[in-house]
Amino acid sequence: AQTVTQSQPEMSVQEAETVTLSCTYDTSENNYYLFWYKQPPSRQMILVIRQEAYKQQNATENRFSVNFQKAAKSFSLKISDSQLGDTAMYFCAFPSAPSSGTYKYIFGTGTRLKVLA
Amino acid sequence: KAGVTQTPRYLIKTRGQQVTLSCSPISGHRSVSWYQQTPGQGLQFLFEYFSETQRNKGNFPGRFSGRQFSNSRSEMNVSTLELGDSALYLCASSFEQLNTEAFFGQGTRLTVV
Repeated sequence: AQTVTQSQPEMSVQEAETVTLSCTYDTSENNYYLFWYKQPPSRQMILVIRQEAYKQQNATENRFSVNFQKAAKSFSLKISDSQLGDTAMYFCAFPSAPSSGTYKYIFGTGTRLKVLA
Repeated sequence: KAGVTQTPRYLIKTRGQQVTLSCSPISGHRSVSWYQQTPGQGLQFLFEYFSETQRNKGNFPGRFSGRQFSNSRSEMNVSTLELGDSALYLCASSFEQLNTEAFFGQGTRLTVV
């Protein structure tokens, strides 16, 4: 079964510091995407960053970057220079198409990040 | 470009009733998928529609159904509501396949009393 695991239910970080959120996944697929989504109290899921598995280079979006280790099936998110607005739930997500060829997102359980002033 | 719009934002229903939620995807997107989010079960896939056809379905009872119209707008219906159906229902749209990024609406918070 394809799974996504986030082992850190809650984390906190001081403003301007760096924090890393962990995610591991399990799949037998070879080409796939991985995503980090942010869900602030407004509830809307916002795409933070995506990684294409065939690309060895880690994705970067401004203060957000990933450490993608394909062999280890690990996909961690690093937030640099943390800001109060980064306070949110963060979900790791993996679009899975095990046999049907049609996809559905599998989400981790989320990490609640609090940025402290 | 307008984002994904879900209506209504909040609903309170009584056990046994039925409810219909609506989702308007981003213009040009043909795939609409639905997710249920609860504190206990997290985010779970309900179903996905593409060009008015259900393309994929999660493990939910038949009380949960949906449809998609020719303009790609989608509705989901839950009949014979149970207390356990209380959740945030999220809709996501993507251009064609869900293997690229999906864009989410703000959700509909359903409370069953």
